[in-house]
Order: sequence, then C-alpha cells, then structure tokens
Amino acid sequence: AQSVTQPDIHITVSEGASLELRCNYSYGATPYLFWYVQSPGQGLQLLLKYFSGDTLVQGIKGFEAEFKRSQSSFNLRKPSVHWSDAAEYFCAVGAGYGQNFVFGPGTRLSVLP
Amino acid sequence: DSGVTQTPKHLITATGQRVTLRCSPRSGDLSVYWYQQSLDQGLQFLIQYYNGEERAKGNILERFSAQQFPDLHSELNLSSLELGDSALYFCASSTGRESSGELFFGEGSRLTVL
Repeated sequence: AQSVTQPDIHITVSEGASLELRCNYSYGATPYLFWYVQSPGQGLQLLLKYFSGDTLVQGIKGFEAEFKRSQSSFNLRKPSVHWSDAAEYFCAVGAGYGQNFVFGPGTRLSVLP
Repeated sequence: DSGVTQTPKHLITATGQRVTLRCSPRSGDLSVYWYQQSLDQGLQFLIQYYNGEERAKGNILERFSAQQFPDLHSELNLSSLELGDSALYFCASSTGRESSGELFFGEGSRLTVL
C-alpha cells in the first residue's frame, strides 16, 4: 500500500521568502501525486497534481512541485511567500485504479510579516 | 467555492447518540468520499461511493455507515458516539470512478461529542 510522509510538522517563513515543503512517498509504481492546501475553517483545495510527463508541475497561487523518482519525493515550492499562504499543506498519493488517496500528516505553514 | 455542500457545519451531541451528516457533491460528480480529520489521526479515508454503490472502504468503524442516494447526495451515519469521534468530517467528490482524479472538498462538518 502507498504511504506519504511530510517530515516537517510546522514551518515558519517570513513574507517574501522562498518556501519548500517536503513530501516523500512510498509506492511500487509511478504514483499520482497531489498537493492540497487547507486554510483555517475551510476544506482542502487542490494546488497541483502530477500524473505523468514533465516532472516539474505548475499549480495555482504561484506554487510548483517537482517529482523526483529517484528520491521518491514531490516537494512543493514557492519563490516568494505571501501572508495569505499561511495554511496547512497536505501531500497525497493516489495509486490509480482501485486504490484511494493517502494523505500525508500535513505541514502547517506560518508566515511572519 | 468547491461546489460540494455539507450540512450541518457544526454539531454538538452526547456520547451514545447517533448523528447523520449530509453531503451534496459537485454537479456532475458521481463519486463521493468521506474523510475524518482529527488532531491525532490526521486525514483518514473512511469510504467512497460511486454512482450509488460502495466503491472502496478505508478505516471506517462498524458504528459508522454511509450511503449514496439516486440523486447522488450522500449521508454518513455515526452511531453509539464516543468522545473520540469528535472530529471534522469532510466529504469530497470527483467525476470518475477511480481515485486518480482531483477531489473537490466540502467545508466539513465539525462534530463535538460531549
């Protein structure tokens, strides 16, 4: 079965600084990979997804993620963080047919003014 | 707005009671998923329905049950409630039968068991 780890429980960055949130997955084949964001009191919203092809994927709100098969990673990046990016970020892996999403434990992002 | 509607938004009840959470998926979506989010367990997949039929089952307790109706809305029934069932329950929907697509989440139903 697939699994996801997000090593950082909580990250604090200053507004305007760059951001990288780490995600590692475990799955025997090429997985479907996702990053979701959850703002306080809200449901989860998809930021970006990787199915195949170009390993660098662009998402909404200026986020991007890179799939690295050799490292089983799918890290999320943003060059310049805005205060509104403060939220909980979840990495998820879907194994395709017959399987379901597995979400990582989440990383809470705080942004300092 | 994801297009997924969940009711009620907040619910407070006592141990031993039974509650029903309701979800209306996005227009055109045939799959409905239920997730439980708690501080100690994170986001846990409970169950998926596709076009009225159970498609996949996750860590759903026997005290919990769900169904999807012909109009595609879904209900999650939680019975013999315990303090540990206090959590945020999310419904999500997607277009297809398989889980490889994007999920659209509702805003959740926060259940507090006293």
